[in-house]
Amino acid sequence: KQEVTQIPAALSVPEGENLVLNCSFTDSAIYNLQWFRQDPGKGLTSLLLIQSSQREQTSGRLNASLDKSSGRSTLYIAASQPGDSATYLCAVRSYGQNFVFGPGTRLSVLP
Amino acid sequence: NAGVTQTPKFQVLKTGQSMTLQCAQDMNHEYMSWYRQDPGMGLRLIHYSVGAGITDQGEVPNGYNVSRSTTEDFPLRLLSAAPSQTSVYFCASRLGSGFATNEKLFFGSGTQLSVL
Repeated sequence: KQEVTQIPAALSVPEGENLVLNCSFTDSAIYNLQWFRQDPGKGLTSLLLIQSSQREQTSGRLNASLDKSSGRSTLYIAASQPGDSATYLCAVRSYGQNFVFGPGTRLSVLP
Repeated sequence: NAGVTQTPKFQVLKTGQSMTLQCAQDMNHEYMSWYRQDPGMGLRLIHYSVGAGITDQGEVPNGYNVSRSTTEDFPLRLLSAAPSQTSVYFCASRLGSGFATNEKLFFGSGTQLSVL
């Protein structure tokens, strides 16, 4: 059974810092991995999706990497801003229909 | 384009009551699903559907029923509410229903349910 973990559970940084969020999964036979952002009381917004054949995806200040062999993905946020404060979740899809989600990392960017 | 719409946003039930959480999408997505989100446990899949008339169980299906009579709608029914079903419920959809697709998953804004 696929299990997804995220470290750290919470992170607080000053504005302007570059930061890395980590996602680990136990079964490396994945089809794709998706990073989401969740604001308090809101639904999840898709940030990036990385296919198993890809090493990384970029969108603006966000860069997600994937290392299937080690069961890891990282989400890099450059020049963090207070508006980046949210919970970030990763989700892994194995060769089937459904995603398995990690518990999330709660990020606070302090002005 | 409304995307994925969930109603109601908040609901309080008494133990034993039944209710239906509504989910509708206007993107012609084949795949639809229901998750519950509990503190410290991430999102867990309740039920999913790969098209009208086709549904299947996820990780935590007990106490919930679903049906999919149209492509657009995927309601979740609580048969006899229990305090353990207090949670935030999310509906999510994506375009393709096949095993080999790379479409993103789109979420509704959630329903916060309390069972007393």
